[in-house]
Amino acid sequence: EVQLVESGGGLVQPGRSLKLSCAASGFTFSNYGMAWVCQAPTKGLEWVASISTGGGNTYYRDSVKGRFTISRDNAKNTLYLQMDSLRSEDTATYYCARHYYDGYSFDYWGQGVMVTVSS
Amino acid sequence: DVVMTQTPVSLSVSLGGQTSISCRSSQSLVHSDGNTYLYWYLQKPGQSPQLLIYKVSNRFSGVPDRFSGSGSGTDFTLKISRVEPEDLGVYYCYQGTHYPPTFGAGTKLELK
Repeated sequence: EVQLVESGGGLVQPGRSLKLSCAASGFTFSNYGMAWVCQAPTKGLEWVASISTGGGNTYYRDSVKGRFTISRDNAKNTLYLQMDSLRSEDTATYYCARHYYDGYSFDYWGQGVMVTVSS
Repeated sequence: DVVMTQTPVSLSVSLGGQTSISCRSSQSLVHSDGNTYLYWYLQKPGQSPQLLIYKVSNRFSGVPDRFSGSGSGTDFTLKISRVEPEDLGVYYCYQGTHYPPTFGAGTKLELK
């Protein structure tokens, strides 16, 4: 059974940093691209970042470029999102998601972790 | 960015009934490789989204045949027949053809 379990969320002040983790199990982690997708409170879904199977290619939405870093450790079956210079508009639930085989969407999602940016 | 416009915003349906959701994109979703990367997700209350339909009309593993997707270019439809209680939630269309990938704002399916 595919499982994705996020951790690392919480309350943080604007301008500070936070690092999210996503522990994967139930599949060969190194064979799949991975992504982070967020959902602001009572809002819709928004893709944040993606990473290729080996980690050599990363992609970001414009609003987080230069502030967020997606990475992975295939030996530990773990995906990360380093979030720096956080802003109030980054407040959201962040989902870890596995890229579908076609690479263009997501087939399995974690339960999500809440990030609140507030002073 | 490609804007995905879903209609209606909300739907009331009777158990056992049939309904449909429309999704229109601001640009054609036909990729240069010939595929159309249009997907449908359902987010049940308190849960993370789950994939229902991939590439316009293909049901994901375990998705019942009560769900069907259709469309082409910029206009797409998700049909749900014989609605069951577990079908309630918010439905999102999503495009992966153009960067950045984008979601529709969602359609909330409720019981009448």
